[in-house]
Amino acid sequence: KAGVTQTPRYLIKTRGQQVTLSCSPISGHRSVSWYQQTPGQGLQFLFEYFSETQRNKGNFPGRFSGRQFSNSRSEMNVSTLELGDSALYLCASSLGGVTDTQYFGPGTRLTVL
Amino acid sequence: AQSVTQLGSHVSVSEGALVLLRCNYSSSVPPYLFWYVQYPNQGLQLLLKYTSAATLVKGINGFEAEFKKSETSFHLTKPSAHMSDAAEYFCAVSDSGGYQKVTFGTGTKLQVIP
Repeated sequence: KAGVTQTPRYLIKTRGQQVTLSCSPISGHRSVSWYQQTPGQGLQFLFEYFSETQRNKGNFPGRFSGRQFSNSRSEMNVSTLELGDSALYLCASSLGGVTDTQYFGPGTRLTVL
Repeated sequence: AQSVTQLGSHVSVSEGALVLLRCNYSSSVPPYLFWYVQYPNQGLQLLLKYTSAATLVKGINGFEAEFKKSETSFHLTKPSAHMSDAAEYFCAVSDSGGYQKVTFGTGTKLQVIP
């Protein structure tokens, strides 16, 4: 069974640009969560989608948005990039139940210059 | 608001020695608690999780953790460290109403000395 895949793995952008990251969950998983990991702030929850609906949201500005498609694939978009958005963005998928395990992808390393 | 505190950003143990990584939680409602491991340049892997079924939780790779409500702790242990255990470990918490909204600790880097 294929794991969670994230594309691209590495990305370099400049301030002010926007970026879209993609996450393909494990087959059959309906929940996709996104996390940001930085040396200064650590791991922070961005949002979670379940069956195309945002079910939970972390404390991030509106520049961070996401969506989920009918095949459960998810995209995360960051508009008007700032230097502080440089981070490893992790995606995790699960069946979506309260006790279901989240499986993480390898992440997308975003560098903002 | 829920939170976790990991004591010690770096822990060193000798190969074969006991591994003890400390985590204390703060939650206003009964929590779900997790330990994740992250190897360099990789995503997170779930080691174990507490969801109120049993206070002693056994996970993968010989790790286990005990939920102690009186101490608000969920420390991770392994009887005998292996070189392959060198990684960063994260404790995390979610309240019972929102499993997928997880709050992570700051992480503990485990070094295993041969």
